[in-house]
Amino acid sequence: ETGVTQTPRHLVMGMTNKKSLKCEQHLGHNAMYWYKQSAKKPLELMFVYSLEERVENNSVPSRFSPECPNSSHLFLHLHTLQPEDSALYLCASSQVSGGTDTQYFGPGTRLTVL
Amino acid sequence: AQSVTQLGSHVSVSEGALVLLRCNYSSSVPPYLFWYVQYPNQGLQLLLKYTSAATLVKGINGFEAEFKKSETSFHLTKPSAHMSDAAEYFCAVSDSGSGGYNKLIFGAGTRLAVHP
Repeated sequence: ETGVTQTPRHLVMGMTNKKSLKCEQHLGHNAMYWYKQSAKKPLELMFVYSLEERVENNSVPSRFSPECPNSSHLFLHLHTLQPEDSALYLCASSQVSGGTDTQYFGPGTRLTVL
Repeated sequence: AQSVTQLGSHVSVSEGALVLLRCNYSSSVPPYLFWYVQYPNQGLQLLLKYTSAATLVKGINGFEAEFKKSETSFHLTKPSAHMSDAAEYFCAVSDSGSGGYNKLIFGAGTRLAVHP
């Protein structure tokens, strides 16, 4: 595997389910990001982990819970979601370099909440 | 706070025609600016970035962008559109107050259609 991978690619869940999204980067980067991409809205940064420490939590509801067990893996745990949480969830990684670093994105997980 | 405005949510051009996608930014400090492209069912891919070196930045697939401080613009151009350029394009500015890591503020995106 190369680059940034995300699993699953598609997920359908009910509002009472618990599920997790997984992201893995094979680039040796030290920062990882979760974004939400909804129709008709700009990409929203949700969480940032730098050196495995959460450094950004962009007012995301507690029904989204991130986990970064090491620099290569990032999870987004989901529980009791709402239909408006249906979106494409993108993971990205970068090598921190003072704001000029390129973020490399995975293909995303298309989430549908029924 | 930094922000980005992309004028035109949809742009349509003929194959072989000039592509011009507009991006204006707001920033209180010299910005770092990025253009990303998203093809259907894929994540975002970097086209090019401005990091305060040359104001004319060349990217992949024949795209380039010019940083114009006086106009607070970073428009993306390509001299001759190809069918494979049909995608969504995002302009982004780096939030320089984010403590080292790259917090990107994205525009709403411009969907480019290329017709024969």
